[in-house]
Amino acid sequence: AQTVTQSQPEMSVQEAETVTLSCTYDTSENNYYLFWYKQPPSRQMILVIRQEAYKQQNATENRFSVNFQKAAKSFSLKISDSQLGDTAMYFCAFTAYSGAGSYQLTFGKGTKLSVIP
Amino acid sequence: KAGVTQTPRYLIKTRGQQVTLSCSPISGHRSVSWYQQTPGQGLQFLFEYFSETQRNKGNFPGRFSGRQFSNSRSEMNVSTLELGDSALYLCASSQGGAGSNYGYTFGSGTRLTVV
Repeated sequence: AQTVTQSQPEMSVQEAETVTLSCTYDTSENNYYLFWYKQPPSRQMILVIRQEAYKQQNATENRFSVNFQKAAKSFSLKISDSQLGDTAMYFCAFTAYSGAGSYQLTFGKGTKLSVIP
Repeated sequence: KAGVTQTPRYLIKTRGQQVTLSCSPISGHRSVSWYQQTPGQGLQFLFEYFSETQRNKGNFPGRFSGRQFSNSRSEMNVSTLELGDSALYLCASSQGGAGSNYGYTFGSGTRLTVV
């Protein structure tokens, strides 16, 4: 069974500063995918960034980037130039093939990020 | 294109009743997954449907069931509601198959309160 751990329940950052959210995972799979999702008060889970385990290059999406360390099973999210709209719960998630063509997401407990003006 | 639509947004039910939640996936997406979100347990996988067939199920009692229709719309049903079933129920849509690893698009969820 896979597990995802987010060790920071809450974090805060000043507007325009940089913040890093941590995530570690445990799996015996070799091919898998990692995601960061954002959940603002509107409740909708929004995909922030994804990483394929077989790719060594770290994924980047505008102000969001990851530091993927496969051997250490670590997948942290860096948010640069933080904006007020980044205030949300952030969830790290893992997926690997579950059989019969199915994938399911395993989520961490989340990190509540507050961006301070 | 339209996103994932979940109805209703809010629901209040009494213990012992049953409830049905609905999810309409993104057009062209054949896979629909359901997740339960609670403050204590976090996000937990309920089940996944693809082309009207359940192909994966999480660790939930048989009171939780679902189905998918030929237009890919999905419903989940919870019978004999318990207080602990109070949660946000999220639906996720994906292309299915190998395309699923490209990510899932979630709806805004249905907030179920059991009293």
